[in-house]
Amino acid sequence: GAVVSQHPSRVICKSGTSVKIECRSLDFQATTMFWYRQFPKQSLMLMATSNEGSKATYEQGVEKDKFLINHASLTLSTLTVTSAHPEDSSFYICSASGRAGGETQYFGPGTRLLVL
Amino acid sequence: DQQVKQNSPSLSVQEGRISILNCDYTNSMFDYFLWYKKYPAEGPTFLISISSIKDKNEDGRFTVFLNKSAKHLSLHIVPSQPGDSAVYFCAASPDQSGSEKLVFGKGTKLTVNP
Repeated sequence: GAVVSQHPSRVICKSGTSVKIECRSLDFQATTMFWYRQFPKQSLMLMATSNEGSKATYEQGVEKDKFLINHASLTLSTLTVTSAHPEDSSFYICSASGRAGGETQYFGPGTRLLVL
Repeated sequence: DQQVKQNSPSLSVQEGRISILNCDYTNSMFDYFLWYKKYPAEGPTFLISISSIKDKNEDGRFTVFLNKSAKHLSLHIVPSQPGDSAVYFCAASPDQSGSEKLVFGKGTKLTVNP
């Protein structure tokens, strides 16, 4: 199946700093990438949808100036958590779908963010 | 308002028996349904999907049933194995293109006891 990677897998940062998370589709071109956030014991909550070369579409309640998403190429999307605070600590997961990926969204392994 | 509901937060079954995970949805625009399996601290893994034009899709030990009139789907795993222990998410989408967002249920934690 299609492979999606995320980097880093874990990150610990101080409050007020910015953190960038990369999502890559390794063996297919991802025309659409999605960013999710998961809180303990809760479902995956979609944060935003990004299409290559265009601005991301954010879900209601998600601050676009705080969670910057860039989908610069067909294999890479980045999520930058700006001025991170402890409440941003969470598990962030990306998924990708595209031509070779078919109709299924393939998920990355996730990134655990801990803001101290 | 939750559009996709998995009312059982957990399920425990014996190895070799059948596991049945249920999912209900409210939005009649949903046309495509997927099941994902997720281990702690990992991303979800796609298991099986079904289009609304079908009422059953089978892949090995996994079968998904769709009752469109009841807005209900279920995932059957038989025989269940200890390695199946994970959280299972039901997801729905308005179409199969992959470019539409998925709406997830809250998940059901399945434990298969040896």
